Amino acid sequence: SQQGEEDPQALSIQEGENATMNCSYKTSINNLQWYRQNSGRGLVHLILIRSNEREKHSGRLRVTLDTSKKSSSLLITASRAADTASYFCATDEDNQGGKLIFGQGTELSVKP
Amino acid sequence: SQTIHQWPATLVQPVGSPLSLECTVEGTSNPNLYWYRQAAGRGLQLLFYSVGIGQISSEVPQNLSASRPQDRQFILSSKKLLLSDSGFYLCAWSRSWGQYFGPGTRLTVT
Repeated sequence: SQQGEEDPQALSIQEGENATMNCSYKTSINNLQWYRQNSGRGLVHLILIRSNEREKHSGRLRVTLDTSKKSSSLLITASRAADTASYFCATDEDNQGGKLIFGQGTELSVKP
Repeated sequence: SQTIHQWPATLVQPVGSPLSLECTVEGTSNPNLYWYRQAAGRGLQLLFYSVGIGQISSEVPQNLSASRPQDRQFILSSKKLLLSDSGFYLCAWSRSWGQYFGPGTRLTVT
């Protein structure tokens, strides 16, 4: 089953602007993860936020989690052309043995 | 450090032909292993996962099967490919803090 739903599906911004992507899910989770995929490549793990955490930072990335609304957001500050990629959220559901359920992704384009 | 390999990188196969995609992991032992398929412009669909040698769980009934003959080897197979099997196939292994993906295999069934 597809749990994560992301919006927007596509986002185009100028270099230096911030990019915000949102993810909603349906069931209870252990944690939520964000991944990045360059065109035609494998996914790269960016950040994990646990169900008891509300906000997490890693470099220019900021992730928030609202378990009451079953939603998360990924903010990329001061974007660069090299940030152009697809971004996916994935949920690790309770008692599912580490399986992840991926969203459909947001395609981010950062124009120089 | 851990690395994950997939081959081949690209594959073009006729309908009805067999398939074998291989994934190997180095630098870790007893990893959880996963096969995903990604259609163009879409998210990942979990096909199979394995928590140990010979232990395979199937997520979606279909034309594919998986095997884990060794601790760090995961194989995706089909006896007869369908057009709908075309896609980007990704192997991954997991630790508690996330999954690590291989480079993927682009399969085109003609």
